[in-house]
Amino acid sequence: GAVVSQHPSRVICKSGTSVKIECRSLDFQATTMFWYRQFPKKSLMLMATSNEGSKATYEQGVEKDKFLINHASLTLSTLTVTSAHPEDSSFYICSASTGGRAEKLFFGSGTQLSVL
Amino acid sequence: DAKTTQPTSMDCAEGRAANLPCNHSTISGNEYVYWYRQIHSQGPQYIIHGLKNNETNEMASLIITEDRKSSTLILPHATLRDTAVYYCIVRVGGKLIFGQGTELSVKP
Repeated sequence: GAVVSQHPSRVICKSGTSVKIECRSLDFQATTMFWYRQFPKKSLMLMATSNEGSKATYEQGVEKDKFLINHASLTLSTLTVTSAHPEDSSFYICSASTGGRAEKLFFGSGTQLSVL
Repeated sequence: DAKTTQPTSMDCAEGRAANLPCNHSTISGNEYVYWYRQIHSQGPQYIIHGLKNNETNEMASLIITEDRKSSTLILPHATLRDTAVYYCIVRVGGKLIFGQGTELSVKP
């Protein structure tokens, strides 16, 4: 199946710093990518939809100034957690859409963010 | 909100078929049903998806009822590595909204 690469897989940072997470579609072009977060023993929660060349669309309750999303090319979307605090500690996961009539969505392997 | 409901957990004996049900009674005519699974601390893995016909691939089979209000994912010969949370999802406005899923435990 198609591969979505997410980097880094784990990051530990101090409170107040910013962290950037990259999501790449390796063998297909993705006009649309999605960002999720997941707390322990909970389901995935959609944060935002990232569209190539345009502003991301955020779900209700997600702070767009806290979670900056950039989708500058058809194969790369980035999520930047700005001024991270301990409550931002979570598992962040991206997915990329193949588009087209037989559309599929593939997920990255996730990024575990721990803010001290 | 997710448009699907699934049992919280299920057990299956190794080597037997695992049948995971899903209800999606409000599904619209052009909405696909997707199945993903997630093993602890990993990203969800695509399994299969379908519209109205039954589908089969190397991982599983998907049986969709004629009225499309429910479906069943079948893992024909479950192994211990199939232990995971299985999510049945109907896309809403182009987005995959995850429900709580079914925690499948495959036991020796």
